[in-house]
Amino acid sequence: AQRVTQPEKLLSVFKGAPVELKCNYSYSGSPELFWYVQYSRQRLQLLLRHISRESIKGFTADLNKGETSFHLKKPFAQEEDSAMYYCGGGDGATNKLIFGTGTLLAVQP
Amino acid sequence: DTGVSQDPRHKITKRGQNVTFRCDPISEHNRLYWYRQTLGQGPEFLTYFQNEAQLEKSRLLSDRFSAERPKGSFSTLEIQRTEQGDSAMYLCASSGAGAQPQHFGDGTRLSIL
Repeated sequence: AQRVTQPEKLLSVFKGAPVELKCNYSYSGSPELFWYVQYSRQRLQLLLRHISRESIKGFTADLNKGETSFHLKKPFAQEEDSAMYYCGGGDGATNKLIFGTGTLLAVQP
Repeated sequence: DTGVSQDPRHKITKRGQNVTFRCDPISEHNRLYWYRQTLGQGPEFLTYFQNEAQLEKSRLLSDRFSAERPKGSFSTLEIQRTEQGDSAMYLCASSGAGAQPQHFGDGTRLSIL
């Protein structure tokens, strides 16, 4: 079965510290992988997708097929990064998304 | 365009009642998705439309649930004979063709008394 796993429910770091939000996937074939973010009182919004290989708000994510991982990283956390982060995988046909359970990132001043 | 719009934002109803939610996708998007999110979980896929055709339904979608997209634009999700376990946030998303990313609405929060 297709599955996306985010092992950490909460990640608390200090401002300026590096951040790594973990995501592992189990998919047949080659999935599309995404990171979505939900700031307080806002809707879920796309942060990154693996095919774009871009950096958004200082975040990057590299697909590691050997480790079946798609970890989200940022070298220096900012307080405004505090939010709920969801890793998701989409199949190629319907593009329906399978999400992990999410990680709450709390950046302390 | 204000993005994906969902109505109502909140719905409180008694167990056994029927409820209907509406989703207006981004106008040029032909794909529309419904998800359900419960506390502590990520969104779970319910069903998917391409234009007016409902192409996939999750096993989570029991017989009490029905979704429509009659003209390929807005969609409705109806739950009949609601149960306590139906309490959740119901999210709608839309996307263009191919591997375009999905854009989500604010969701409808359903509370069953």
